[in-house]
Amino acid sequence: GAGVSQTPSNKVTEKGKYVELRCDPISGHTALYWYRQSLGQGPEFLIYFQGTGAADDSGLPNDRFFAVRPEGSVSTLKIQRTERGDSAVYLCASSSQGQGGDEQFFGPGTRLTVL
Amino acid sequence: GDSVTQMEGPVTLSEEAFLTINCTYTATGYPSLFWYVQYPGEGLQLLLKATKADDKGSNKGFEATYRKETTSFHLEKGSVQVSDSAVYFCALRTNAGNMLTFGGGTRLMVKP
Repeated sequence: GAGVSQTPSNKVTEKGKYVELRCDPISGHTALYWYRQSLGQGPEFLIYFQGTGAADDSGLPNDRFFAVRPEGSVSTLKIQRTERGDSAVYLCASSSQGQGGDEQFFGPGTRLTVL
Repeated sequence: GDSVTQMEGPVTLSEEAFLTINCTYTATGYPSLFWYVQYPGEGLQLLLKATKADDKGSNKGFEATYRKETTSFHLEKGSVQVSDSAVYFCALRTNAGNMLTFGGGTRLMVKP
């Protein structure tokens, strides 16, 4: 693919519901990242995958958040029992190797609104 | 922990004015430093980067120099255009970690 894609672009849900957000990284990129961007702020790191495994999940705010990447390509971010404070733009990025100077390429984001 | 501080916006300039957006950081070790830009309605794009002290990153007329002694990576452009109107994010990435740590962003508005 040409770039990182994310679906859906917008998601509106009710408090307490379960949501899944999908990320398709650039083909061949082994590293995949999820970030969350609240209104008027910079993105904040959530989780990093190298291949199929979560190499660093230190940014996940609590156990309602979970992410998978079963085949080392597409990733899904899962949020259980959503709360109004989860409303934000969720960004996915990928890079070729996941090393210090590698460029991370960002997708357009999924805007999540929890009513 | 690692952190990035950048000047609050919005920064409003007239076309062809000189731009500086200040960025300072706190990090363990020797991070790589980045400027990302987010144009209206678009996703984050890498603008420029520097991976070691005294390196200068440059792209599209923008420049930033990695200053280890002042832990800074200020973004500059000699003559801004209306099309430069966007939100600019300074970020770092340590060699020990893989994630980017972002500043809060600075909105630039350039008027004709």
